[in-house]
Amino acid sequence: AQSVTQLDSHVSVSEGTPVLLRCNYSSSYSPSLFWYVQHPNKGLQLLLKYTSAATLVKGINGFEAEFKKSETSFHLTKPSAHMSDAAEYFCVVSVNTGFQKLVFGTGTRLLVSP
Amino acid sequence: EAGVTQFPSHSVIEKGQTVTLRCDPISGHDNLYWYRRVMGKEIKFLLHFVKESKQDESGMPNNRFLAERTGGTYSTLKVQPAELEDSGVYFCASSLLMLEGTEAFFGQGTRLTVV
Repeated sequence: AQSVTQLDSHVSVSEGTPVLLRCNYSSSYSPSLFWYVQHPNKGLQLLLKYTSAATLVKGINGFEAEFKKSETSFHLTKPSAHMSDAAEYFCVVSVNTGFQKLVFGTGTRLLVSP
Repeated sequence: EAGVTQFPSHSVIEKGQTVTLRCDPISGHDNLYWYRRVMGKEIKFLLHFVKESKQDESGMPNNRFLAERTGGTYSTLKVQPAELEDSGVYFCASSLLMLEGTEAFFGQGTRLTVV
């Protein structure tokens, strides 16, 4: 069965420093992977997605993620954190049932300090 | 264009009562999904509608939960009777296509508290 593991429940960074949110996936085939973000009192917003095209995926707000099959990883990065990046981030895999069914990680809360 | 909207945003009910959550998907999206996040756990799939039909309801926890989508537009999720363990955030999402890899657009969620 497909699953994702987010290795950190909380990550704290200073504004202007790089962000790394880690995600490992488990899948018997080449999966579709997503990163979603939830800001306080907002809905889940898609940051980026990987669907077997380019392994380096660029998303909104300067985020990107690299699909590494050998490491079964899909880590989310951003070169320079902004205060507005403080939110909860979810790594998500799509289950191969022929239609859209998402399996979420437990989430990583990103804290950004001035 | 309006996104996915959910009503109410918060609901506090007593154990044993009934609650109905509503979701209005993006206009034209035939696919509608319900997910929920129970306290401190991951967000989990509940079910998937294609128009008014249930494509997959494998995530529904038990028969106290009833989802409907009459007419293939908005959907309701009724919990009857509510139990303490039903507390959590219920998310609705919609997508244009049902294929794996399609972007799903999520609403803000309904925070349900059962006391």
